[in-house]
Amino acid sequence: AQSVAQPEDQVNVAEGNPLTVKCTYSVSGNPYLFWYVQYPNRGLQFLLKYITGDNLVKGSYGFEAEFNKSQTSFHLKKPSALVSDSALYFCAVRDMRSGNTPLVFGKGTRLSVIA
Amino acid sequence: KAGVTQTPRYLIKTRGQQVTLSCSPISGHRSVSWYQQTPGQGLQFLFEYFSETQRNKGNFPGRFSGRQFSNSRSEMNVSTLELGDSALYLCASSSGDSSYNEQFFGPGTRLTVL
Repeated sequence: AQSVAQPEDQVNVAEGNPLTVKCTYSVSGNPYLFWYVQYPNRGLQFLLKYITGDNLVKGSYGFEAEFNKSQTSFHLKKPSALVSDSALYFCAVRDMRSGNTPLVFGKGTRLSVIA
Repeated sequence: KAGVTQTPRYLIKTRGQQVTLSCSPISGHRSVSWYQQTPGQGLQFLFEYFSETQRNKGNFPGRFSGRQFSNSRSEMNVSTLELGDSALYLCASSSGDSSYNEQFFGPGTRLTVL
């Protein structure tokens, strides 16, 4: 069965500093990986995804993520954090080999960017 | 294009009642998924529909059911409500049949069971 782990419930970073939100996954085949962000009282917004190809994926709002197959990780990064990046971030995975399996989400990491 | 819409946005019910939530996907999207979001459990998958067929079902009791109509609109129903059903219910749509298509989420329906 596929699963996602986000080891940090909360990440605090100063504005202007680089940020990393961690995600590791487990699938039997190759993964499709996604990052979503949720602002208060809103649904989730898609940030970026990895399907195949280049391990560094660039997405919305200056975010990027690096796929690392040997470490089964897909960490979200941004070179310079903004206060407006404060939100709840979700990593999600689908097993490429298992046909139409549902998207499985991690429990989320709350990012707080301090001015 | 208009985004995913969910109605109602807020709902208050009492234990034992039933509730129906509605989701209208982005125009042209044929896949609709439902999730339950709670602070303790995160996002839990409920169902996925594609072209009126239930393609996947999560690990929820039979009190939770859903359907999709020919225009891709979807409804979910919860019968015999319990206090633990209080949650944000999110609907998401995607454009095709491929597992790598990203999902677009609605704002959710906040259900409170008293």
